[in-house]
Amino acid sequence: EIVLTQSPATLSLSPGERATLSCRASQSVSSYLAWYQQKPGQAPRLLIYDASNRATGIPARFSGSGSGTDFTLTISSLEPEDFAVYYCQQRSNWPQWTFGQGTKVEIK
Amino acid sequence: QVTLRESGPALVKPTQTLTLTCTFSGFSLSTSGMCVSWIRQPPGKALEWLARIDWDDDKYYSTSLKTRLTISKDTSKNQVVLTMTNMDPVDTATYYCARTPLSGYPDYWGQGTLVTVSS
Repeated sequence: EIVLTQSPATLSLSPGERATLSCRASQSVSSYLAWYQQKPGQAPRLLIYDASNRATGIPARFSGSGSGTDFTLTISSLEPEDFAVYYCQQRSNWPQWTFGQGTKVEIK
Repeated sequence: QVTLRESGPALVKPTQTLTLTCTFSGFSLSTSGMCVSWIRQPPGKALEWLARIDWDDDKYYSTSLKTRLTISKDTSKNQVVLTMTNMDPVDTATYYCARTPLSGYPDYWGQGTLVTVSS
């Protein structure tokens, strides 16, 4: 099983600041990594697929980068609606897809 | 417009079998390359992928839960059914179904259904 480790567990920032979230895989997943946003009481929402491609309707302030074992989700300037939990997910090791444990972006 | 909705019991007893139904619209599971996944999330914890069924009726399961899971589809009703046997309190979670394009990721999710396992 590929383990995805996200850091930090919690990120305390103010609106307008830049957020940088990390996801590290226990072995290479090539570029087969996605990022999701989840707000309380809601289902996850796909933000980024294949490491760097924005899903339909996702604002340009969200960007993804990385390959192999190290990935980054960047939110260039936090909007009030961006405070949520973010998960990474790999689809390299089929059929054993795995998710990270999440990073909570909270208002400072 | 793609929508999915999970339905099933909110409470099951330990050792019982859970049956969940995902009813969807806006896409067809008879379309080549289309799939539906089940994913769960225990309260306050991370997501866990459970199973996937493909348009051609291929089925895939989480290795750790494979012996307990069965996924099936009824294309005419636009439904996917997941059964999980021998339920345990650790299986308490919100269960989601999600449209999953082949060679892609779960892109449209249902709102989830909370299942509590308790006697």
